Amino acid sequence: QSALTQPPSASGSRGQSVTISCTGSSSDVGAYNFVSWYQQHPGKAPKLMIYEVSKRPSGVPDRFSGSKSGNTASLTVSGLQADDEADYYCSSYAGSNPWVFGGGTKLTVL
Amino acid sequence: EVQLVESGGGLVQPGESLRLSCAASGFTLSGYSMSWVRQAPGKGLEWVSYISSSSATILYADSVKGRFTISRDNAKNSLYLQMNSLRADDTAVYYCTRESGYAFDIWGRGTVVTVSS
Repeated sequence: QSALTQPPSASGSRGQSVTISCTGSSSDVGAYNFVSWYQQHPGKAPKLMIYEVSKRPSGVPDRFSGSKSGNTASLTVSGLQADDEADYYCSSYAGSNPWVFGGGTKLTVL
Repeated sequence: EVQLVESGGGLVQPGESLRLSCAASGFTLSGYSMSWVRQAPGKGLEWVSYISSSSATILYADSVKGRFTISRDNAKNSLYLQMNSLRADDTAVYYCTRESGYAFDIWGRGTVVTVSS
């Protein structure tokens, strides 16, 4: 069982928006503004999409945005494109057990 | 181009050892903390171990503590993971990652470790 809880699947039509949640606890997501999100296409390495809750690395489209409220973080993908179809993982710094990940969400673009 | 390339994976029997290597290029390894993250077949990501830029701080997940040892050679721009007493549940793709601002901003392609009799 993963430390952070994500829905196993999410879907949306091309051009629409979808939000993926990531629920942790007061020891990880709720305690630190160090939530990150990773995109992973089949057979590929993960790619950092969001760090420090809502910041985007250079080269990541602004269609990807992140937020946090209490112990729950969220990733929103707007203007869905075919290439957005992938697995998405959230992660949080957690202090003594430094990094915890969510179980992953498979995003399907209809 | 900033790049991490892992090597050293393979098929081993339970109880055996393996040493993974990660070669960094396109940036100076000594300026960054590094981690190993693994992914079991069909499963999610699991942080395994962390080493600070100077090796002053080393951390392990409970699942590998006492069996795995992380190290680095900044002069060779390389990161290592010595894995002893391997178990079937250590079977995974092992990724070398660069840590920046409590996130993993650069990932290697991974090396496959299979523990099976």
